[in-house]
Amino acid sequence: EPEVTQTPSHQVTQMGQEVILRCVPISNHLYFYWYRQILGQKVEFLVSFYNNEISEKSEIFDDQFSVERPDGSNFTLKIRSTKLEDSAMYFCASQPGQGFQNTIYFGEGSWLTVV
Amino acid sequence: KNQVEQSPQSLIILEGKNCTLQCNYTVSPFSNLRWYKQDTGRGPVSLTIMTFSENTKSNGRYTATLDADTKQSSLHITASQLSDSASYICVVSPNTGTASKLTFGTGTRLQVTL
Repeated sequence: EPEVTQTPSHQVTQMGQEVILRCVPISNHLYFYWYRQILGQKVEFLVSFYNNEISEKSEIFDDQFSVERPDGSNFTLKIRSTKLEDSAMYFCASQPGQGFQNTIYFGEGSWLTVV
Repeated sequence: KNQVEQSPQSLIILEGKNCTLQCNYTVSPFSNLRWYKQDTGRGPVSLTIMTFSENTKSNGRYTATLDADTKQSSLHITASQLSDSASYICVVSPNTGTASKLTFGTGTRLQVTL
């Protein structure tokens, strides 16, 4: 079964450093998302991406965050200057098309620890 | 504020037994409700998807119900197996199509024992 792959699986970074989390969505999917889950808390929406641009974003997704799809394959989340509270599991997800019946596929997550 | 509440927080059952997990939501507008299974440290995996017009949806040993009037859903697991041990998360979508702004519950942590 096709899957969303994410790298790295775990990254430790110092506060203030830039971090790039990478995702390879399922081929031919059109909608891409980043969600995050702080340890012990609910999964939270960050941003959605369609047609090479952000379609929606949450309050969490401030100027420190950015996303891009540089080569039509990878989908990246960049955090410019990490803060301690950015420590979380970051999930990438993709969806083949619009419509509730389209299953959303989540990756295994990238665990980010900011020290 | 959109909220999804789940109960119980955790549950321990013997292998082979059935169980039912509950979900109450106050998401508006409402489009569809999804149940996910999440193993520790892994990504959520979709189990069922229901719109407001559907009352029940099955996927193998998993059966989800939805009452859009009372804004309640349940996930029933029959003949539980050790591999069912995971968190089960209720997720509500306000949109008709995309996965933007899904509201996740905190999940019910299920442990199946011998």
